[in-house]
Amino acid sequence: EAGVAQSPRYKIIEKRQSVAFWCNPISGHATLYWYQQILGQGPKLLIQFQNNGVVDDSQLPKDRFSAERLKGVDSTLKIQPAKLEDSAVYLCASSLAVDTEAFFGQGTRLTVV
Amino acid sequence: AQSVAQPEDQVNVAEGNPLTVKCTYSVSGNPYLFWYVQYPNRGLQFLLKYITGDNLVKGSYGFEAEFNKSQTSFHLKKPSALVSDSALYFCAVRDLSGTYKYIFGTGTRLKVLA
Repeated sequence: EAGVAQSPRYKIIEKRQSVAFWCNPISGHATLYWYQQILGQGPKLLIQFQNNGVVDDSQLPKDRFSAERLKGVDSTLKIQPAKLEDSAVYLCASSLAVDTEAFFGQGTRLTVV
Repeated sequence: AQSVAQPEDQVNVAEGNPLTVKCTYSVSGNPYLFWYVQYPNRGLQFLLKYITGDNLVKGSYGFEAEFNKSQTSFHLKKPSALVSDSALYFCAVRDLSGTYKYIFGTGTRLKVLA
């Protein structure tokens, strides 16, 4: 079974530029998550989708971050404009249902300079 | 509000000794609890979960965890540590009374000394 796919693996951008990350969840998984993991910290939930609807986005900085889940499958997370403090690993995860364990992709390491 | 705490930033244990990594949680309703491990430059890898039933759950690589409702804890354990167990461990909780948000603790670095 293929895992959660994320791209790109690494991205370096200048502050005030925009960036987008892509995630393809495990086939059949209804729930999709985006997390931000700053070095030395635990993953922080940014947004949780159930199919293509948003379940929770309470910690998503909506003035600069946006996310969508197309047709309840793939998802993109965008940052515009980026700030230095956005430097982190962005993890995508998916779970079969809203109450099962999540499986994670390798993450995208973003460096904002 | 839903939360999960890992009170120890780092745990050191000698190889062959038992290990415990602590986790406590706070939820409004019943919790689902999970443990993950993260190796350098890798994503999080699922170890085990507690949903319901037996308070002692067994998972991958010889790990187990004990759910204690009265102490709101879900500590990760292993009878005999290996050097290869050295990694970052995260506890996670899902609150069944709300939006089923999947929240992680701050992580505990386990160092197994040869």
